Amino acid sequence: KAGVTQTPRYLIKTRGQQVTLSCSPISGHRSVSWYQQTPGQGLQFLFEYFSETQRNKGNFPGRFSGRQFSNSRSEMNVSTLELGDSALYLCASSSRTASFSYEQYFGPGTRLTVT
Amino acid sequence: AQTVTQSQPEMSVQEAETVTLSCTYDTSESDYYLFWYKQPPSRQMILVIRQEAYKQQNATENRFSVNFQKAAKSFSLKISDSQLGDAAMYFCAYRSADSGGSNYKLTFGKGTLLTVNP
Repeated sequence: KAGVTQTPRYLIKTRGQQVTLSCSPISGHRSVSWYQQTPGQGLQFLFEYFSETQRNKGNFPGRFSGRQFSNSRSEMNVSTLELGDSALYLCASSSRTASFSYEQYFGPGTRLTVT
Repeated sequence: AQTVTQSQPEMSVQEAETVTLSCTYDTSESDYYLFWYKQPPSRQMILVIRQEAYKQQNATENRFSVNFQKAAKSFSLKISDSQLGDAAMYFCAYRSADSGGSNYKLTFGKGTLLTVNP
């Protein structure tokens, strides 16, 4: 089974621009979660999508948004980029529905640099 | 809100020796899952081991085992026969078992950087 894929792997943007990151979960997984990793704040939960619906949201401003498509692929969007948005953005997929399949499997991440 | 604390920012171990990484957590829930993830320099997060809170038996995966003390809210990871490939950042993580609730997310500790010396 193919793992979680994220595109692009690296991205450089200018302050004020917007960016869209993509995540394709493991085949059959319907839950996609997004995390932001920075040296200062560590790993922080952004949001989770399940069956095209946002189920959980972390404590991030409205500039961070996401969506999930019918094939479970997910995108996250950050508008009006700030320097502090520079981070590694990790996507994780999970089947969520089965009680014994609760592990989240992570993608390789997208490294976003805002200049 | 749940919190996860890893009190050891860095640890080192000699190859073939045993090392234990500490993790404590705070929660008011009775049913939850605990995980250890490994993040090597490639940044790929890899699940090392998981523990269900309702299970008294400590989880074991090959050279990796945990010491789960529910009453003390402690969840340490023991790596036996350490190998050079074990060098990585290790994260302890908590997740609620309530799949319908808003806490269905991973809460991570700050991580412990493990160095393995040859």
